[in-house]
Amino acid sequence: QQQVKQSPQSLIVQKGGISIINCAYENTAFDYFPWYQQFPGKGPALLIAIRPDVSEKKEGRFTISFNKSAKQFSLHIMDSQPGDSATYFCAAIDPAWADGGGGADGLTFGKGTHLIIQP
Amino acid sequence: DTGVSQDPRHKITKRGQNVTFRCDPISEHNRLYWYRQTLGQGPEFLTYFQNEAQLEKSRLLSDRFSAERPKGSFSTLEIQRTEQGDSAMYLCASSADRGGNEKLFFGSGTQLSVL
Repeated sequence: QQQVKQSPQSLIVQKGGISIINCAYENTAFDYFPWYQQFPGKGPALLIAIRPDVSEKKEGRFTISFNKSAKQFSLHIMDSQPGDSATYFCAAIDPAWADGGGGADGLTFGKGTHLIIQP
Repeated sequence: DTGVSQDPRHKITKRGQNVTFRCDPISEHNRLYWYRQTLGQGPEFLTYFQNEAQLEKSRLLSDRFSAERPKGSFSTLEIQRTEQGDSAMYLCASSADRGGNEKLFFGSGTQLSVL
């Protein structure tokens, strides 16, 4: 059962454009939603994260929009640059897991979006 | 470098052999995680330690997999009797106490190829 569904699988954006990646989740117990950026040959690196008590969080060119009622959240990359070309993963965490409550599966990742920014 | 380090970066083995990977977390982090990532997929949780205690194990972790963190510092992941389906990137991550923000720092992974 895939608990976090991510789309699109791949995305090509022109330099300076806006990149938008969407995720939907099923588990209403999730309470923390990070986005990770991964370059080839490297592990994922935390980019930005949001908690469900806010609808938007912005850090530089990166913005998370969160819709709790729809159980959806998205990453917007403004003024996309070639250096942003990477694979992006949305993720979610169930607080029961973080407290060692058992039965959960740690940080649950989407399948990833391969983003290419064309010069 | 004070990040998470993993060794080796690459491992090629024959089916049926045993392999062991090592992870050195960020020194002040008491939480350590192992994930597995296959091509085109997101990382999948395998197991989690808080200090030396292994608190969570995924259903993905078969009996052939064992992880240890004997002194609450570095960790090892051993796969016995490897199978071709074990070929993947094995990622280690660490974090400090959650405190409301689960910030995981990942290493660069060990790429395992089982022939």
